[in-house]
Amino acid sequence: GAVVSQHPSWVICKSGTSVKIECRSLDFQATTMFWYRQFPKQSLMLMATSNEGSKATYEQGVEKDKFLINHASLTLSTLTVTSAHPEDSSFYICSAPLLILAGGTDTQYFGPGTRLTVL
Amino acid sequence: KQEVTQIPAALSVPEGENLVLNCSFTDSAIYNLQWFRQDPGKGLTSLLLIQSSQREQTSGRLNASLDKSSGRSTLYIAASQPGDSATYLCAVPLSGGAGSYQLTFGKGTKLSVIP
Repeated sequence: GAVVSQHPSWVICKSGTSVKIECRSLDFQATTMFWYRQFPKQSLMLMATSNEGSKATYEQGVEKDKFLINHASLTLSTLTVTSAHPEDSSFYICSAPLLILAGGTDTQYFGPGTRLTVL
Repeated sequence: KQEVTQIPAALSVPEGENLVLNCSFTDSAIYNLQWFRQDPGKGLTSLLLIQSSQREQTSGRLNASLDKSSGRSTLYIAASQPGDSATYLCAVPLSGGAGSYQLTFGKGTKLSVIP
C-alpha cells in the first residue's frame, strides 16, 4: 500500500533555532499534502495545505511566516518551524491523498509523525 | 465550525469483550466520516471510511455506523484483542470537494484491552 514517510521522527532543539521536517510520499505522487499538529491530550489540528508548485494555504491562527511550507516536488513537502519556542513543541503529522477526488472518496495516508521538543 | 466529540476518552476492557466507541459531530452536512487508529508516538492508520450516503461499513472485526441526521457514528469492535489497544480517532472533512481531505478530528478514545 501507499506509504508516507517523515523525517526526522523526533528532534530536540534550542529555543530560537529553526527545524525542518520532511514529508515524503514514497510510491505515489502527491500534488497536495496536509500538515497537522497534535498537542498532548488534544486532537489533531490541521495547520496548512501544501500545494505542489504554489503557495501553501494556512488555517486561521497559524502563522505562515513561522511555519514555512515548501512543496518543491510531487513527492516532497517540507515544514520549517522558524525561531522555534517551547510552545511549538508538539507532534507534527503530514498526510497525502492518492487522488484528489471530489467528495474525498479516496483515502489519504498519514506519515508516522515528528515529535518536536523545543528547550 | 465543525466540532467532533468522542466518548469515552478512555476505555479498559478484558480480552474477548465486544465494545463500542462513540463519535458525535455538530454539523451534520458531512461528506464522509473516517475512523483511524493511532499507536503511541506514531501516525494514523485509516480503519474505515463511511460515505454520507452509507449507513455502515465493515472490515473484519470492525463495524462503523453513521447516522448523519443525529450527528453520530459508532465504531463496534468485536472480540477485542490486546493488539487492539490504541487510540481511536474519528474525523470528518471540513468541507466537500477537494476540501474533503482536510479533516477535523476528535480527541480520540484510548482503548486498553487487558489480556
